[in-house]
Amino acid sequence: NAGVTQTPKFRVLKTGQSMTLLCAQDMNHEYMYWYRQDPGMGLRLIHYSVGEGTTAKGEVPDGYNVSRLKKQNFLLGLESAAPSQTSVYFCASSFGTNTGELFFGEGSRLTVL
Amino acid sequence: AQSVTQLGSHVSVSEGALVLLRCNYSSSVPPYLFWYVQYPNQGLQLLLKYTTGATLVKGINGFEAEFKKSETSFHLTKPSAHMSDAAEYFCAVSRQGGYSTLTFGKGTMLLVSP
Repeated sequence: NAGVTQTPKFRVLKTGQSMTLLCAQDMNHEYMYWYRQDPGMGLRLIHYSVGEGTTAKGEVPDGYNVSRLKKQNFLLGLESAAPSQTSVYFCASSFGTNTGELFFGEGSRLTVL
Repeated sequence: AQSVTQLGSHVSVSEGALVLLRCNYSSSVPPYLFWYVQYPNQGLQLLLKYTTGATLVKGINGFEAEFKKSETSFHLTKPSAHMSDAAEYFCAVSRQGGYSTLTFGKGTMLLVSP
């Protein structure tokens, strides 16, 4: 029962470094999402994908890129990390309807120094 | 456009007391409404949702919420709090018709004291 798996769970970067967060789901979901969670801000959508090979911008996309080369994987990249990107990142997946439940990973905590 | 306002970033109750977490939404079209719960160091999980039909919806762990269109509210309640209910709760909204992503509120931390 893996569900949604995020790697890595923790990472510390220096300003300007790059990194990629990997999200994998084994539920054959069409839709996948990347959110960031900051204290007092709730969850904000960074990017999402409605199917393999497609991506779309969410509420806070600047400074991030994504790719969905395979249906089960959704990658979030930071090309040049900034301290403002210090956050907890959550990946989620769903069957895609507006009434559908989102299934979340356990989160990846990123600190940018 | 759609948005959610959760009143109170923290709510404290005693074990056995009523839990009431408030959520008001704004949506230009009929909404779908959700409550998610997040336990420490975990991702969010769905508590309950309103789509269409009965306006009082029941979820897991004894929680329920009522959709009140006239008040644009979707408050979450539980008659008797348990220590294990301590967590952060998020209200969220999407819209009927076409595809839309989920918009989350800022969350309410529920603290339960013995």
